[in-house]
Amino acid sequence: GAGVSQSPSNKVTEKGKDVELRCDPISGHTALYWYRQSLGQGLEFLIYFQGNSAPDKSGLPSDRFSAERTGGSVSTLTIQRTQQEDSAVYLCASRAGVSSYNEQFFGPGTRLTVL
Amino acid sequence: DAKTTQPTSMDCAEGRAANLPCNHSTISGNEYVYWYRQIHSQGPQYIIHGLKNNETNEMASLIITEDRKSSTLILPHATLRDTAVYYCIVRAYNAGNMLTFGGGTRLMVKP
Repeated sequence: GAGVSQSPSNKVTEKGKDVELRCDPISGHTALYWYRQSLGQGLEFLIYFQGNSAPDKSGLPSDRFSAERTGGSVSTLTIQRTQQEDSAVYLCASRAGVSSYNEQFFGPGTRLTVL
Repeated sequence: DAKTTQPTSMDCAEGRAANLPCNHSTISGNEYVYWYRQIHSQGPQYIIHGLKNNETNEMASLIITEDRKSSTLILPHATLRDTAVYYCIVRAYNAGNMLTFGGGTRLMVKP
């Protein structure tokens, strides 16, 4: 079946502009994660959605970052007033559920460049 | 979560076995060893995980020492497409745990 998809694959924006990144998880997956990865670095957790529970926002680096998950499926990560340090690859992952092994399926990522 | 230590990089000849080590000396009893890899310009990909027994799947084998303080991921017949950064993680088998990757091992498979 289809994997996790993300759009756009690349986004170039100017400093100060807002951007929206989209994630379509695997159908039926109840858990959804957003991460970011700076050049040559490991994974940095941003936010986690599980079913209808309140999201775990503990990884969001500032209040310029927010995310929504509508209808328990598609998620949008919004970055307001982008800064150059926001440049990174933003990765989305989904997982089947709380009782499954901790196997997360990742999308291809969105490469964000803030000029 | 327990910290892991991996070599920064390794080379392997195509068709040979690639053995990637990982030290996790502070692992606790309820923590599993997971391996992911990330091929250039792609998202991370799950490979295998285990608790204390050796595990094998279609991608790789995982050998965990008896004291669980280290493990080895084995790619039995490495191909050029296995060139990637390989991440060893120890996590409790617990709902909601997000992944945190360190530097990993950059495996270069050479013809």
